[in-house]
Amino acid sequence: EPEVTQTPSHQVTQMGQEVILRCVPISNHLYFYWYRQILGQKVEFLVSFYNNEISEKSEIFDDQFSVERPDGSNFTLKIRSTKLEDSAMYFCASSVVFGYTFGSGTRLTVV
Amino acid sequence: AQRVTQPEKLLSVFKGAPVELKCNYSYSGSPELFWYVQYSRQRLQLLLRHISRESIKGFTADLNKGETSFHLKKPFAQEEDSAMYYCALRLQNAGNMLTFGGGTRLMVKP
Repeated sequence: EPEVTQTPSHQVTQMGQEVILRCVPISNHLYFYWYRQILGQKVEFLVSFYNNEISEKSEIFDDQFSVERPDGSNFTLKIRSTKLEDSAMYFCASSVVFGYTFGSGTRLTVV
Repeated sequence: AQRVTQPEKLLSVFKGAPVELKCNYSYSGSPELFWYVQYSRQRLQLLLRHISRESIKGFTADLNKGETSFHLKKPFAQEEDSAMYYCALRLQNAGNMLTFGGGTRLMVKP
């Protein structure tokens, strides 16, 4: 069964540093998403991406965040200057139209 | 704004007992409701969609628009059902964004 792959599984970064989280969506999927889950809290929507542009984004997805599909297979989430409160599990997902497949997540720890 | 509430953070039952995981939502339009499951150290997986009205692994869920609920039920719990369960809502005709509830950890004891 096809999978959404996320790397790395765990990333530790210093406050103020830039971090890039990587995802390889399922190859025939058209929609791509990032969600995050702060420890003990809900899974929260960050952004969706379709046809090489952002289609929806939440209030969380401010100017510190950006997404890119640099080469037609990877889908990345960049956090420009990490804050302590960015520590969370970040989940990538993809879908054809609907019917999400989630990746296993990247745990980001900002110290 | 839409909201999904799962009132129980933890539900503990014995094997063979019935299970009901509660989910309530607030939204005035026509939502699409889902249940996702996350087994230990695994990814979020779709368990049920209300539109498909199917039973997966013995679980069922009925959308009750009058009570704005979408409770997940199983008549006889199994130990392998132990996992985190998330209720989620998608607004029809409003993109693909999912709004999740806080999740319920189901523990099925032998």
